[in-house]
Amino acid sequence: SAVISQKPSRDICQRGTSLTIQCQVDSQVTMMFWYRQQPGQSLTLIATANQGSEATYESGFVIDKFPISRPNLTFSTLTVSNMSPEDSSIYLCSVELAALEQFFGPGTRLTVL
Amino acid sequence: KQEVTQIPAALSVPEGENLVLNCSFTDSAIYNLQWFRQDPGKGLTSLLLIQSSQREQTSGRLNASLDKSSGRSTLYIAASQPGDSATYLCAVGPDSSYKLIFGSGTRLLVRP
Repeated sequence: SAVISQKPSRDICQRGTSLTIQCQVDSQVTMMFWYRQQPGQSLTLIATANQGSEATYESGFVIDKFPISRPNLTFSTLTVSNMSPEDSSIYLCSVELAALEQFFGPGTRLTVL
Repeated sequence: KQEVTQIPAALSVPEGENLVLNCSFTDSAIYNLQWFRQDPGKGLTSLLLIQSSQREQTSGRLNASLDKSSGRSTLYIAASQPGDSATYLCAVGPDSSYKLIFGSGTRLLVRP
């Protein structure tokens, strides 16, 4: 398995501001993923982040709203830009290890007022 | 488009019972299926991963089965304990891209 940490664990933000969420893994991984879990809902994939290339976004998610960085094989950031109350969610990063199993970070709980 | 459904949405059982959680998917051409556990306000813990060529996987009191032809997976929990109380999510990997499509989860409460 992998040890995955996220910062911050939670935050309360004002409408119109941006928040950058960090994801750190204790081993080098090729692929990292960012998911969103809206209140009472299941997880939805936002984008896939490979080191050295642009992130690949899923339908309904755009780079201007959710810019992602992947500077090396152990780290990634997701920014939630120009936030509105509808962005209040838990944001989770995950990594794929050998045998295609995915492991998730503890999540960042975001509340937008 | 692959859709994943979990039934029931919520389940309450007394401690010690054996129980089965169900997951169904609409497209049988999957790459793998993974079961997770999520505690309130927390991230996901991987429980079991079943490859498309496998029929079941076991870990301790947990057993997951996969029937691709019928589009079903079950998670069997033996001798349930209050510590098993959590939301259980199944997720389908539709192909080798590592993307996961999640079901809506089953919220389990094991009463002491």
